[in-house]
Amino acid sequence: DAGVIQSPRHEVTEMGQEVTLRCKPISGHNSLFWYRQTMMRGLELLIYFNNNVPIDDSGMPEDRFSAKMPNASFSTLKIQPSEPRDSAVYFCASSLALWGSTDTQYFGPGTRLTVL
Amino acid sequence: LAKTTQPISMDSYEGQEVNITCSHNNIATNDYITWYQQFPSQGPRFIIQGYKTKVTNEVASLFIPADRKSSTLSLPRVSLSDTAVYYCLVSLMDNNDMRFGAGTRLTVKP
Repeated sequence: DAGVIQSPRHEVTEMGQEVTLRCKPISGHNSLFWYRQTMMRGLELLIYFNNNVPIDDSGMPEDRFSAKMPNASFSTLKIQPSEPRDSAVYFCASSLALWGSTDTQYFGPGTRLTVL
Repeated sequence: LAKTTQPISMDSYEGQEVNITCSHNNIATNDYITWYQQFPSQGPRFIIQGYKTKVTNEVASLFIPADRKSSTLSLPRVSLSDTAVYYCLVSLMDNNDMRFGAGTRLTVKP
């Protein structure tokens, strides 16, 4: 398996623009997680899905952030409008777990977002 | 919510055993502790997981004392390639909450 695939790997945009990050989880995995990593705040869980259903989105910073998982093989994280403080590395991870958050998570390579 | 605390950094030398402790008050008996390793420009990678006493795999051991207020990742005989950031993750079964620690930057010197 190719592992978790994220695109793009790098994104540079201007403040106010819409940004869409994409993730393809490992085939057969039932849970998907979106994280944000910065030097100041470390790894933060934004949202996670079980069987394509959002379970916990309490980490989503504000209404500018939204995430969808239309099917088992694809998820998006959208920021609209983007702001400089959104600059970070965004990771997607997936796990086999049918429910819950205890199973091993496999992380993608991340998307480095820079908002000017 | 469980607060997860780790040392910011540690130094070691090749061949030594390294123990990294994670403090996590208020976790239940069936809550899991997982450790991940992260190299620069990569996503975190699973090392080991457990919820009680001791777990050992081919790369590390995880010790969880009876009071469960902390856990210790043990890396035997580290090498230069073990230089990385190590994250402790506590997963709470009751509410599916997860908390990563801030990470411990381990530097292994020759």
